[in-house]
Amino acid sequence: KQEVTQIPAALSVPEGENLVLNCSFTDSAIYNLQWFRQDPGKGLTSLLLIQSSQREQTSGRLNASLDKSSGRSTLYIAASQPGDSATYLCAVTGNQFYFGTGTSLTVIP
Amino acid sequence: SQTIHQWPATLVQPVGSPLSLECTVEGTSNPNLYWYRQAAGRGLQLLFYSVGIGQISSEVPQNLSASRPQDRQFILSSKKLLLSDSGFYLCAWRYAGAYGYTFGSGTRLTVV
Repeated sequence: KQEVTQIPAALSVPEGENLVLNCSFTDSAIYNLQWFRQDPGKGLTSLLLIQSSQREQTSGRLNASLDKSSGRSTLYIAASQPGDSATYLCAVTGNQFYFGTGTSLTVIP
Repeated sequence: SQTIHQWPATLVQPVGSPLSLECTVEGTSNPNLYWYRQAAGRGLQLLFYSVGIGQISSEVPQNLSASRPQDRQFILSSKKLLLSDSGFYLCAWRYAGAYGYTFGSGTRLTVV
């Protein structure tokens, strides 16, 4: 069974800092990996989708990488802002869809 | 463009009462539809998914049921709510294959 782990569970950084969130998965037989953002009490907003054949995707200040062979993905956030504070979830799609438990990010003004 | 609607946003129901949460998708046809629950401090748990009208797969045994009466409508129901049914319920859709998921805004259910 696929297991998706996100480290750290919580992260607090000063505004302007670049940061990396990590996601690891145990079964490399995936179709894609998706990063989501969830604000408190809200639904999930898709940030980036990386197909299994791709190595990275970029959107604005966000860059997500995928290394299937090592079972890892990273979400890089450049020049963090207080508005980036949220919980970030990664999810992998294989035979089923598996979520990580998320990283709670706080960007301090 | 495709949009997904979920309602109500919040709901407080007494134990033993029935439940009906509705999710509709616009701008697409024959989507795969999903119901997830997010309990406080826990990750997302897949409850039901549907690949077509009238086709429902259940991931975990529970007090809930799902139905898909129309192509773009997915309903989560219960005949008698339990306290343990409290949580944040999310509907999602995607196309079959290697496509990403789009989530609704969620329903916060509190059973009292």
